[in-house]
Amino acid sequence: GAVVSQHPSRVICKSGTSVKIECRSLDFQATTMFWYRQFPKQSLMLMATSNEGSKATYEQGVEKDKFLINHASLTLSTLTVTSAHPEDSSFYICSAPSSMLYGYTFGSGTRLTVV
Amino acid sequence: AQTVTQSQPEMSVQEAETVTLSCTYDTSESDYYLFWYKQPPSRQMILVIRQEAYKQQNATENRFSVNFQKAAKSFSLKISDSQLGDAAMYFCAYRRTDSSYKLIFGSGTRLLVRP
Repeated sequence: GAVVSQHPSRVICKSGTSVKIECRSLDFQATTMFWYRQFPKQSLMLMATSNEGSKATYEQGVEKDKFLINHASLTLSTLTVTSAHPEDSSFYICSAPSSMLYGYTFGSGTRLTVV
Repeated sequence: AQTVTQSQPEMSVQEAETVTLSCTYDTSESDYYLFWYKQPPSRQMILVIRQEAYKQQNATENRFSVNFQKAAKSFSLKISDSQLGDAAMYFCAYRRTDSSYKLIFGSGTRLLVRP
């Protein structure tokens, strides 16, 4: 079945540095990638939608300069958290529509801790 | 705007028994898709079951079935013969049929399974 590989699974970074999270679709072309943020014991909050070859669409309240999204190819989308601060610590998940009928394929998530 | 509501933050079920998780949604669309996703402690999102709104027949996947009441905008998940491995967060999700593809999640229900 369709797989989205997300890396890294865990990352700890110092405050003020930038972190890049990658999501690759392994056996299908992901023209669209959704990026979610999930706080402990809460639901998934859509941050932005990236489309291959065009600018990402950000949800209201999401800082586009802090969360840079690039969708350079049909198999790779990246989220860069710039100048990270402790409040950016969270679980980030990517997801791509892999089939109209079967919803979406999700990456395994990245736990970001900013110290 | 579409919304998804899960009114049960936590549910508990005895192993081998049956449990029903509730979900209601609000939309003005006549055609759409509904999903139940499972998020175990690994936090990998797993599709449990899906339902197309134009289909009157309730979807079934082995021990999982839904009760889809379109007029009431209700989409509950029934888990029969509950197993310890069913313990997880369960999210109800809605998606329009158009090209936006965005999944809208409910707040989730934590399912505990007692041995």
